[in-house]
Amino acid sequence: GIQVEQSPPDLILQEGANSTLRCNFSDSVNNLQWFHQNPWGQLINLFYIPSGTKQNGRLSATTVATERYSLLYISSSQTTDSGVYFCALGTGNQFYFGTGTSLTVIP
Amino acid sequence: EPEVTQTPSHQVTQMGQEVILRCVPISNHLYFYWYRQILGQKVEFLVSFYNNEISEKSEIFDDQFSVERPDGSNFTLKIRSTKLEDSAMYFCAATADQETQYFGPGTRLLVL
Repeated sequence: GIQVEQSPPDLILQEGANSTLRCNFSDSVNNLQWFHQNPWGQLINLFYIPSGTKQNGRLSATTVATERYSLLYISSSQTTDSGVYFCALGTGNQFYFGTGTSLTVIP
Repeated sequence: EPEVTQTPSHQVTQMGQEVILRCVPISNHLYFYWYRQILGQKVEFLVSFYNNEISEKSEIFDDQFSVERPDGSNFTLKIRSTKLEDSAMYFCAATADQETQYFGPGTRLLVL
């Protein structure tokens, strides 16, 4: 299966700071999504982004499919951004999640 | 806004017992998925389902597992004879277009 690596594994930020999370993958894919798992365990879809760049408020994502990586940018972080961020990659209708980046935003 | 729902939220069972986890996807969604997440670990794909058939399944999805859509709305995951290592959070997800997946809140399964 596809290998998915996320970095950094853990990140602590002061409220208001910016951050970049990275997802590297080993093979070409037809689907790439970013999820936020909040402290209650709920998985929330942030972006469907197999290529290109998208923005949604303080969050944006960029995928460079030819170089097999995706980046998630969080600007002006808030305490509610805390949780684990996963990238998930799909080939056909099978999906592979990364090990996640655990983000803690402190006030 | 419609949501994917799952029942029960928690289930405790004895090793060797059968469990059925239920999911109600969003009504216009056609592609369905089950995932599991062992505590503190990453989310693992189990199976995808489309047009009343399994599309893909992972190595985890062995003969102990089965899925079905018995009545056109519910989507179920059955574990025939549970093992201790089946203890995990089980998530259902659905999508209308094989793009954005919407996850349910999960069922926490504990096998004793």
